[in-house]
Amino acid sequence: RKEVEQDPGPFNVPEGATVAFNCTYSNSASQSFFWYRQDCRKEPKLLMSVYSSGNEDGRFTAQLNRASQYISLLIRDSKLSDSATYLCVVNEGNYGQNFVFGPGTRLSVLP
Amino acid sequence: ETGVTQSPTHLIKTRGQQVTLRCSSQSGHNTVSWYQQALGQGPQFIFQYYREEENGRGNFPPRFSGLQFPNYSSELNVNALELDDSALYLCASSLVDYGYTFGSGTRLTVV
Repeated sequence: RKEVEQDPGPFNVPEGATVAFNCTYSNSASQSFFWYRQDCRKEPKLLMSVYSSGNEDGRFTAQLNRASQYISLLIRDSKLSDSATYLCVVNEGNYGQNFVFGPGTRLSVLP
Repeated sequence: ETGVTQSPTHLIKTRGQQVTLRCSSQSGHNTVSWYQQALGQGPQFIFQYYREEENGRGNFPPRFSGLQFPNYSSELNVNALELDDSALYLCASSLVDYGYTFGSGTRLTVV
């Protein structure tokens, strides 16, 4: 079983749609969680951290369920510029920072 | 703009050769991690350096080695290159409890 798994994608949605990404992780000792965004042929960039209480940043909402080892990202009112690959990242913290990346889910927002 | 810089941006090598990739961390970050990202996959952890010492290693053979210098810049060395080493190599620096900042990567092609 892979350490971090994500919806296989790709997701093709119309502008204005709401889209949700799911992620599960295997290491119950994982300490912190993030969503990264990666544009084609570019480096990953931090989108948001994920907190147990859930957190929101504009159109983006992240949720963490430690009991189920599940993380989600919700994008509301999607824009063309949201088209990218979304990477779920888990810090297992075995030695300082140990960030484990999921394979990513590609999103295409269509006009 | 990213504070992590990598060089070179692109590189072509032949099988069996050796390569050195370089990274300058974001100011104030004393931890640097290297990742390999094959096309269509999430980044895979190679190793991490903290204060010039290797602080963790992923599932990569010994021909992948690294260094971190007193100014926190870093190198990734790969010996005896194989075709499967063709990938985007990402350097990331971090502070505790916060996500990584990635460089724009070095795209290595082994022919």
